[in-house]
Amino acid sequence: AQSVAQPEDQVNVAEGNPLTVKCTYSVSGNPYLFWYVQYPNRGLQFLLKYITGDNLVKGSYGFEAEFNKSQTSFHLKKPTALVSDSALYFCAVKNSMDTGRRALTFGSGTRLQVQP
Amino acid sequence: KAGVTQTPRYLIKTRGQQVTLSCSPISGHRSVSWYQQTPGQGLQFLFEYFSETQRNKGNFPGRFSGRQFSNSRSEMNVSTLELGDSALYLCASSYGPGLQPIYNSPLHFGNGTRLTVT
Repeated sequence: AQSVAQPEDQVNVAEGNPLTVKCTYSVSGNPYLFWYVQYPNRGLQFLLKYITGDNLVKGSYGFEAEFNKSQTSFHLKKPTALVSDSALYFCAVKNSMDTGRRALTFGSGTRLQVQP
Repeated sequence: KAGVTQTPRYLIKTRGQQVTLSCSPISGHRSVSWYQQTPGQGLQFLFEYFSETQRNKGNFPGRFSGRQFSNSRSEMNVSTLELGDSALYLCASSYGPGLQPIYNSPLHFGNGTRLTVT
């Protein structure tokens, strides 16, 4: 079985400061890792993914994430937070060995509040 | 390119009724997945379709069913509705041009159908 933990229900950061949203995962094989963002009354939007290769992944809207295999983490980061980044963020994992299914396992979500 | 379209956006039903939700994927996407989102349980996988075949199913009762048509459009049906079925139902499509889905391609979500069961 695979699982994702997002230990913080909410992260508060001032506009202009760097932000980090934490994610740790558990999977029996090598992971495929994803970050999605959800704005109110909308579906999820894809931000970035880690499949293989460089541990630092760059994505949409200036976001990046660092894959750390030893710590089984995939934290989302952005150097400069904007008020418009305020949203609900989801980390998701899939076992790369599980080629028979596409289903992702999502974390519980972290609400990011960026204060002006 | 148009995104994933889900209809209707909002539904109110009473216990015991049934409901059908519709999803039109992005043009060229052949894989469609359904997720249920609730405040208590978060995002939970319902099922996945590719080329009109159900490829995988989550841990939901048989009241939840789905299908996919030859144009990749998908529907999900919930029969004998219960109060606990109230949720945001999200459809997601992903790219898969060949005979098999591409398992690391990102999901593209619609805005969901919010179902309220009274």
